[in-house]
Amino acid sequence: DIQMTQSPSSVSASVGDSVTITCRASQDIRSWLAWYQQKPGKAPKLLIYAASTLQSGVPSRFSGSGSGTDFTLTISSLQPEDFATYYCQQANSFPYIFGQGTKLEI
Amino acid sequence: QVQLVQSGAEVKKPGSSVKVSCKASGDTFSSYVFTWVRQGPGQRLEWMGGIVPAFGTADYAQKYQGRVTINADDSTGTVYLQLRSLRPEDTAVYYCTRGLGATLYYFDYWGQGTLVTVSS
Repeated sequence: DIQMTQSPSSVSASVGDSVTITCRASQDIRSWLAWYQQKPGKAPKLLIYAASTLQSGVPSRFSGSGSGTDFTLTISSLQPEDFATYYCQQANSFPYIFGQGTKLEI
Repeated sequence: QVQLVQSGAEVKKPGSSVKVSCKASGDTFSSYVFTWVRQGPGQRLEWMGGIVPAFGTADYAQKYQGRVTINADDSTGTVYLQLRSLRPEDTAVYYCTRGLGATLYYFDYWGQGTLVTVSS
Protein backbone atom coordinates (compact mmCIF):
# COMPACT_ATOMS: atom_id res chain seq x y z
CA ASP A 1 0.00 0.00 0.00
CA ILE A 2 1.04 3.59 -0.62
CA GLN A 3 1.56 5.42 2.66
CA MET A 4 0.72 9.11 3.04
CA THR A 5 2.49 11.23 5.64
CA GLN A 6 1.46 14.78 6.47
CA SER A 7 3.40 17.42 8.32
CA PRO A 8 3.01 19.08 10.64
CA SER A 9 0.41 17.17 12.68
CA SER A 10 -0.83 20.48 14.03
CA VAL A 11 -0.13 24.11 13.39
CA SER A 12 -1.16 27.32 15.11
CA ALA A 13 -1.86 30.44 13.12
CA SER A 14 -3.84 33.65 13.20
CA VAL A 15 -6.48 35.17 10.96
CA GLY A 16 -4.74 36.75 7.99
CA ASP A 17 -1.70 34.44 8.13
CA SER A 18 -0.59 32.11 5.37
CA VAL A 19 -0.10 28.40 6.15
CA THR A 20 1.47 25.53 4.20
CA ILE A 21 0.82 21.85 4.89
CA THR A 22 2.88 19.14 3.27
CA CYS A 23 2.02 15.58 2.27
CA ARG A 24 4.51 12.95 1.20
CA ALA A 25 3.64 9.70 -0.58
CA SER A 26 5.74 6.57 -0.10
CA GLN A 27 5.89 6.11 -3.87
CA ASP A 28 5.26 8.10 -7.04
CA ILE A 29 1.59 8.99 -7.38
CA ARG A 30 2.10 11.50 -10.22
CA SER A 31 -0.61 14.14 -9.62
CA TRP A 32 -3.22 11.81 -8.17
CA LEU A 33 -3.71 13.69 -4.93
CA ALA A 34 -6.62 15.38 -3.20
CA TRP A 35 -6.96 17.66 -0.19
CA TYR A 36 -9.96 17.72 2.13
CA GLN A 37 -11.08 19.96 4.98
CA GLN A 38 -12.96 18.48 7.94
CA LYS A 39 -14.64 20.34 10.76
CA PRO A 40 -15.62 18.63 14.04
CA GLY A 41 -18.65 16.40 13.67
CA LYS A 42 -18.89 17.01 9.92
CA ALA A 43 -18.06 15.07 6.80
CA PRO A 44 -14.89 16.06 4.93
CA LYS A 45 -15.12 18.54 2.08
CA LEU A 46 -13.11 18.21 -1.13
CA LEU A 47 -10.92 21.28 -1.65
CA ILE A 48 -8.41 20.34 -4.34
CA TYR A 49 -7.97 17.37 -6.66
CA ALA A 50 -5.36 16.36 -9.19
CA ALA A 51 -2.85 18.05 -6.88
CA SER A 52 -3.70 21.59 -7.96
CA THR A 53 -7.26 21.81 -9.35
CA LEU A 54 -9.58 23.82 -7.15
CA GLN A 55 -12.95 22.16 -6.59
CA SER A 56 -15.93 24.26 -7.65
CA GLY A 57 -17.00 26.72 -4.96
CA VAL A 58 -13.76 26.57 -2.98
CA PRO A 59 -12.20 29.99 -2.30
CA SER A 60 -9.10 30.89 -4.28
CA ARG A 61 -7.06 31.38 -1.09
CA PHE A 62 -6.65 27.59 -1.16
CA SER A 63 -4.01 26.29 -3.54
CA GLY A 64 -2.22 23.01 -4.08
CA SER A 65 1.00 22.04 -5.77
CA GLY A 66 3.38 19.15 -6.26
CA SER A 67 3.73 15.91 -8.15
CA GLY A 68 5.44 12.58 -7.69
CA THR A 69 5.86 12.14 -3.95
CA ASP A 70 5.80 15.65 -2.47
CA PHE A 71 2.75 17.90 -2.29
CA THR A 72 1.68 21.07 -0.52
CA LEU A 73 -1.56 22.76 0.42
CA THR A 74 -1.30 26.49 0.99
CA ILE A 75 -3.98 28.62 2.57
CA SER A 76 -3.33 32.32 2.20
CA SER A 77 -4.98 35.03 4.26
CA LEU A 78 -6.56 32.63 6.78
CA GLN A 79 -10.20 33.21 7.61
CA PRO A 80 -11.93 32.13 10.85
CA GLU A 81 -13.80 29.38 8.99
CA ASP A 82 -10.51 27.80 7.82
CA PHE A 83 -9.62 26.46 11.26
CA ALA A 84 -10.20 22.74 10.79
CA THR A 85 -8.35 19.49 10.11
CA TYR A 86 -6.90 18.91 6.65
CA TYR A 87 -6.27 15.54 5.02
CA CYS A 88 -4.46 14.55 1.87
CA GLN A 89 -5.51 11.42 -0.05
CA GLN A 90 -3.82 9.54 -2.84
CA ALA A 91 -6.05 8.58 -5.77
CA ASN A 92 -3.41 6.76 -7.81
CA SER A 93 -4.23 3.19 -6.82
CA PHE A 94 -6.30 1.39 -4.27
CA PRO A 95 -6.49 1.32 -1.35
CA TYR A 96 -7.00 5.07 -1.48
CA ILE A 97 -5.06 6.02 1.61
CA PHE A 98 -5.51 9.27 3.52
CA GLY A 99 -2.85 11.11 5.45
CA GLN A 100 -3.09 11.28 9.22
CA GLY A 101 -4.38 14.84 9.15
CA THR A 102 -3.12 18.30 10.08
CA LYS A 103 -5.07 20.27 12.63
CA LEU A 104 -5.04 24.00 11.99
CA GLU A 105 -5.63 25.86 15.22
CA ILE A 106 -5.89 29.47 16.22
CA GLN B 1 -28.20 19.08 -6.15
CA VAL B 2 -26.57 15.75 -5.30
CA GLN B 3 -27.36 14.34 -1.88
CA LEU B 4 -26.19 11.20 -0.14
CA VAL B 5 -28.46 10.27 2.77
CA GLN B 6 -27.31 7.48 5.06
CA SER B 7 -29.21 5.29 7.47
CA GLY B 8 -29.17 5.95 11.20
CA ALA B 9 -26.81 5.08 14.02
CA GLU B 10 -26.38 1.45 15.05
CA VAL B 11 -25.28 -0.28 18.24
CA LYS B 12 -24.03 -3.83 17.72
CA LYS B 13 -22.58 -6.68 19.75
CA PRO B 14 -19.14 -8.08 18.94
CA GLY B 15 -19.39 -10.85 16.38
CA SER B 16 -22.57 -9.51 14.79
CA SER B 17 -23.05 -7.74 11.44
CA VAL B 18 -24.18 -4.30 10.41
CA LYS B 19 -25.63 -3.01 7.15
CA VAL B 20 -25.55 0.70 6.37
CA SER B 21 -27.40 2.24 3.45
CA CYS B 22 -26.72 5.35 1.39
CA LYS B 23 -29.39 6.76 -0.90
CA ALA B 24 -28.17 9.01 -3.69
CA SER B 25 -30.31 11.63 -5.37
CA GLY B 26 -29.91 14.47 -7.80
CA ASP B 27 -27.70 13.01 -10.51
CA THR B 28 -26.98 9.94 -12.62
CA PHE B 29 -26.37 7.07 -10.25
CA SER B 30 -24.80 4.28 -12.26
CA SER B 31 -21.86 6.09 -13.81
CA TYR B 32 -20.06 7.21 -10.66
CA VAL B 33 -17.99 5.30 -8.16
CA PHE B 34 -19.47 5.13 -4.67
CA THR B 35 -17.17 4.25 -1.81
CA TRP B 36 -17.22 3.83 1.93
CA VAL B 37 -14.77 5.64 4.20
CA ARG B 38 -14.69 5.19 7.95
CA GLN B 39 -13.24 7.24 10.78
CA GLY B 40 -12.64 5.83 14.23
CA PRO B 41 -12.61 8.14 17.27
CA GLY B 42 -9.73 10.58 16.79
CA GLN B 43 -8.47 8.56 13.83
CA ARG B 44 -7.65 9.28 10.22
CA LEU B 45 -10.04 8.59 7.39
CA GLU B 46 -9.84 5.04 6.12
CA TRP B 47 -11.02 3.90 2.68
CA MET B 48 -12.82 0.56 2.85
CA GLY B 49 -13.99 -0.16 -0.67
CA GLY B 50 -16.15 1.00 -3.51
CA ILE B 51 -18.45 0.11 -6.39
CA VAL B 52 -19.49 1.55 -9.72
CA PRO B 53 -23.16 0.54 -10.04
CA ALA B 54 -22.89 0.31 -13.84
CA PHE B 55 -20.08 -2.24 -13.51
CA GLY B 56 -21.57 -4.14 -10.59
CA THR B 57 -18.41 -5.48 -8.97
CA ALA B 58 -16.88 -3.99 -5.84
CA ASP B 59 -13.26 -3.48 -4.82
CA TYR B 60 -12.21 -3.76 -1.19
CA ALA B 61 -9.21 -2.73 0.83
CA GLN B 62 -7.19 -5.81 1.77
CA LYS B 63 -7.77 -5.07 5.45
CA TYR B 64 -11.50 -5.78 5.06
CA GLN B 65 -11.45 -8.62 2.54
CA GLY B 66 -13.75 -11.40 3.66
CA ARG B 67 -15.61 -9.25 6.19
CA VAL B 68 -17.14 -6.59 3.99
CA THR B 69 -19.66 -6.49 1.15
CA ILE B 70 -20.57 -3.40 -0.86
CA ASN B 71 -23.43 -3.54 -3.32
CA ALA B 72 -25.74 -1.18 -5.14
CA ASP B 73 -29.41 -1.16 -6.11
CA ASP B 74 -29.88 0.73 -9.38
CA SER B 75 -33.65 0.78 -9.03
CA THR B 76 -33.54 2.83 -5.82
CA GLY B 77 -30.18 4.59 -6.25
CA THR B 78 -28.93 3.08 -2.99
CA VAL B 79 -25.51 1.76 -2.04
CA TYR B 80 -25.01 -0.61 0.89
CA LEU B 81 -22.13 -1.51 3.17
CA GLN B 82 -22.27 -4.72 5.18
CA LEU B 83 -19.55 -5.44 7.73
CA ARG B 84 -19.49 -8.81 9.47
CA SER B 85 -17.76 -10.28 12.53
CA LEU B 86 -17.79 -6.87 14.20
CA ARG B 87 -15.11 -6.01 16.76
CA PRO B 88 -14.95 -3.10 19.22
CA GLU B 89 -12.30 -1.50 17.00
CA ASP B 90 -14.91 -1.25 14.22
CA THR B 91 -16.57 1.48 16.25
CA ALA B 92 -16.45 4.44 13.88
CA VAL B 93 -18.39 6.88 11.78
CA TYR B 94 -18.97 5.35 8.35
CA TYR B 95 -19.26 7.73 5.41
CA CYS B 96 -20.65 7.05 1.97
CA THR B 97 -18.87 9.05 -0.73
CA ARG B 98 -19.20 9.64 -4.44
CA GLY B 99 -16.22 9.95 -6.74
CA LEU B 100 -15.83 12.58 -9.43
CA GLY B 101 -16.35 9.85 -12.05
CA ALA B 102 -16.43 6.10 -12.50
CA THR B 103 -12.66 5.87 -12.14
CA LEU B 104 -11.91 9.14 -10.37
CA TYR B 105 -11.39 8.47 -6.69
CA TYR B 106 -11.70 12.08 -5.59
CA PHE B 107 -14.71 12.27 -3.29
CA ASP B 108 -16.82 15.33 -4.00
CA TYR B 109 -19.99 14.30 -2.20
CA TRP B 110 -20.24 12.74 1.25
CA GLY B 111 -23.12 11.39 3.25
CA GLN B 112 -23.79 12.72 6.72
CA GLY B 113 -22.08 9.74 8.35
CA THR B 114 -23.44 6.78 10.30
CA LEU B 115 -22.07 6.05 13.76
CA VAL B 116 -21.64 2.33 14.38
CA THR B 117 -20.85 1.41 17.97
CA VAL B 118 -19.65 -2.11 18.74
CA SER B 119 -19.89 -2.94 22.39
CA SER B 120 -20.85 -5.85 24.57
